[in-house]
This record gives sequence, structure tokens and C-alpha cells, in this order.
Amino acid sequence: AQTVTQSQPEMSVQEAETVTLSCTYDTSESDYYLFWYKQPPSRQMILVIRQEAYKQQNATENRFSVNFQKAAKSFSLKISDSQLGDAAMYFCAYESNYQLIWGAGTKLIIKP
Amino acid sequence: DAGVIQSPRHEVTEMGQEVTLRCKPISGHNSLFWYRQTMMRGLELLIYFNNNVPIDDSGMPEDRFSAKMPNASFSTLKIQPSEPRDSAVYFCASSYYNEQFFGPGTRLTVL
Repeated sequence: AQTVTQSQPEMSVQEAETVTLSCTYDTSESDYYLFWYKQPPSRQMILVIRQEAYKQQNATENRFSVNFQKAAKSFSLKISDSQLGDAAMYFCAYESNYQLIWGAGTKLIIKP
Repeated sequence: DAGVIQSPRHEVTEMGQEVTLRCKPISGHNSLFWYRQTMMRGLELLIYFNNNVPIDDSGMPEDRFSAKMPNASFSTLKIQPSEPRDSAVYFCASSYYNEQFFGPGTRLTVL
């Protein structure tokens, strides 16, 4: 069965600095999708970035980028120039056959 | 598009009462998901519809929970009778391919 592990329950970063959130997963499949979702205090789940496993190039969305290491089954999220509005829970998710398998989440704290 | 719409946003009810949560997916999306989120268990998939047909309901906790999708633009999740342990945030999400878009959630409190 597929599993997703986020080993950092909480991370903090100084405003304007860079932070990396870790995610590892376990699967025997070769084709799948990976996502990072953000859940601010408003509790709305917001898609941050997605990565298709067959693409070697790391996905980038403005200040957000991923380091996708397929062989290592690692999918970390880098947030550059952290802003106060980035404070939220961040969830890593693995998608296969319509289902999203979720990590436990990492709470990101931004220090002003 | 207004995104996924859920109602009500907050619901407070007493144990034993029936609760109905509603969801309007994004137009054109053919898949709809109901999730429950609690501190203890995180995000749990309750049920998944594709083209209005329930495909996987293995996450529905027990017979007190039921979900319907009578058409492509509307779904309900019903709990009857409700219990305090059902207190959680319930999310509806829709997708066309594999990217799920979430509604704002319904915070349910059962006293």
C-alpha cells in the first residue's frame, strides 16, 4: 500500500528566508502524481504545486518549487522569500487511481 | 467559476439529530470526493463518486453515514443519527482529471 510520510510536524522560518519541507512516499507504481496542498487557518485546502512522476524536471510555481527524487521516493517543497501569508499546514499527497494518500502535515510558522 | 461550494459552513446539532451536508462541485468536473478531517485522524476519504456513481465508499465509517449524488452539480452527505464523535470538518472536493479542488469545508459540532 502507498504511504506518505512527513517527518517534520512543525517548522519555523524567518520572514524572507527559505525553508524546505520534507516528504517521502512508498509505492511500487511507476506512474503517479504528487501534490503539495496548503491549509491556512481559514482551513481552506489550496493546491500549491503538482509533480508528474514521469517528468524529470522539478515543478516550480513562483516562490514554490519541489525537489523530486523519484528513485529515493522523495518530494520536498522549497519556499523561497517566505512571507507571513505562507503560515499554514502543508500537506504532501500522492495520487494514484483517483485517490489522494495524505501525509500528516507540517505546520509552518513564519517569524516576522 | 465560484469553485466548490459547500453548505452550511458551520453546523451545531445535538446528538441523535440528522445532519445533511451539501456540496456543489465545479462545473465540468466528473469526480467528487467527501473527506473528513480531525486532529486525531487527519484527512480521511469517506466516499468517491465518478460521473455521479459511487465508486468507493469504503471510508464511510458506518451505516449512520450515507452520501448521494443525484446529478452532476449536487451531492449530499447525511449522518443519521449524529454522535459527538462525528464532530469534524467535512470537505467536499471535485476534479476533472487528478487535481482535486476543495470546498471551504463544513465544521460540524455534535453536542
